[in-house]
Parts: sequence; structure tokens; C-alpha cells
Amino acid sequence: GQQVMQIPQYQHVQEGEDFTTYCNSSTTLSNIQWYKQRPGGHPVFLIQLVKSGEVKKQKRLTFQFGEAKKNSSLHITATQTTDVGTYFCARPRLNAGNNRKLIWGLGTSLAVNP
Amino acid sequence: DTEVTQTPKHLVMGMTNKKSLKCEQHMGHRAMYWYKQKAKKPPELMFVYSYEKLSINESVPSRFSPECPNSSLLNLHLHALQPEDSALYLCASSQAGGYTFGSGTRLTVV
Repeated sequence: GQQVMQIPQYQHVQEGEDFTTYCNSSTTLSNIQWYKQRPGGHPVFLIQLVKSGEVKKQKRLTFQFGEAKKNSSLHITATQTTDVGTYFCARPRLNAGNNRKLIWGLGTSLAVNP
Repeated sequence: DTEVTQTPKHLVMGMTNKKSLKCEQHMGHRAMYWYKQKAKKPPELMFVYSYEKLSINESVPSRFSPECPNSSLLNLHLHALQPEDSALYLCASSQAGGYTFGSGTRLTVV
């Protein structure tokens, strides 16, 4: 169906280690969005990927969109305690138009040991 | 102004009460949303307003009633809620890309 599978569900790292979360779909995605939600906070939009094979960087965060547009990843280099939170990927529902309905992954919760 | 403002931040209400959640944005976004989020779960879509008209209702019980008075404001009227309705209620807006979420109303139904 249109679900997105996000793995891992949880990740616990030492500060300074790298972290990656993956988002996979069985159907081709028109685009994919990534959000971060801090504990007790609200989702914050990070990025939208649209093009096949796209790679975008935001400081220590690297986002990739697969060549077949069926998967995406978020990689954090040298994690810091400020990276703690849950990272969600989200895809637009087919035929919803203009991202008006998103289907969300279950999220990856990142814990960072100082 | 790049924010979505939600009030109140916290709300405790009894099952017979009527209350309203409010949301405001001044980014000129033409789509506005109500989401419900339970702990450790992704946000769950409730309603979508597009150009001030209700375009999506995700089979939400009638005890939740949305209203869009104008392009900047979105309300969610609550009546006769159940304890299982306790959750974080998020408002969001968007144009063509990512969503901007408000900080939410943490609702407890007693």
C-alpha cells in the first residue's frame, strides 16, 4: 500500500557517533519529507526531497532520496545531545494533491549519551 | 511571521464540558490542518482546510467540530469528549511544501 516503513524504531548512540534512519516505500514517491520532534515538543519540518538520487545537506545532517524514489535516509554525522528526538519521514498520499494528506512513518527515536 | 500559534497550551476538561482550541498563522498558507498525536506515535490527521473550505475529514467523531473563520484562523470545538481523546492536538499550515506546526494543546479529558 502507501505505508512508509521507517527503521530502526529506536537508536541509542554515544555522543560523537553517527546515526542513520531509513524510510522505505513499496510504491514510488513523488516526494518525501523529514521532520524532527524533540521530547515534549512539536514536529519541525527539516526538508523535502523531490528528485531521484537527490542529496541535500544541512550542517551535520545529510538527506538522500533513492534513485528509484522508493526510499530515503537521514544521516547525522557526529551526533550531539541536541540531536535527541524522534525523526519522522512522511509521504504524500496518492491523489491527495499538493501534499494535503501525509502518510507518516512510525518514527525513529534517537537517544544520545553525553 | 513564520509561526503557527496555538492556544491554550494545556487544557483539562470534563466529559460534559465544551471548549475550543485556537490556531493562528500569518504566513499566507492556504492549507491548515488539525492533527492528533498520542505519545510515541506519529501525528494522525483529523481535518484539512484548503482555501478556508473543509477538504478532508478523516472520519473524526462529531464531538470534534472544526471551523475556519478566515484564512489565518482555525478553531477546533470540543464537546462531550471521552478520556481516550486525551492527546496532543497540533495545528499546522502549509503552502506547497513542508508543514509548519504549532506547539500544540495538551488536552486531558477527565
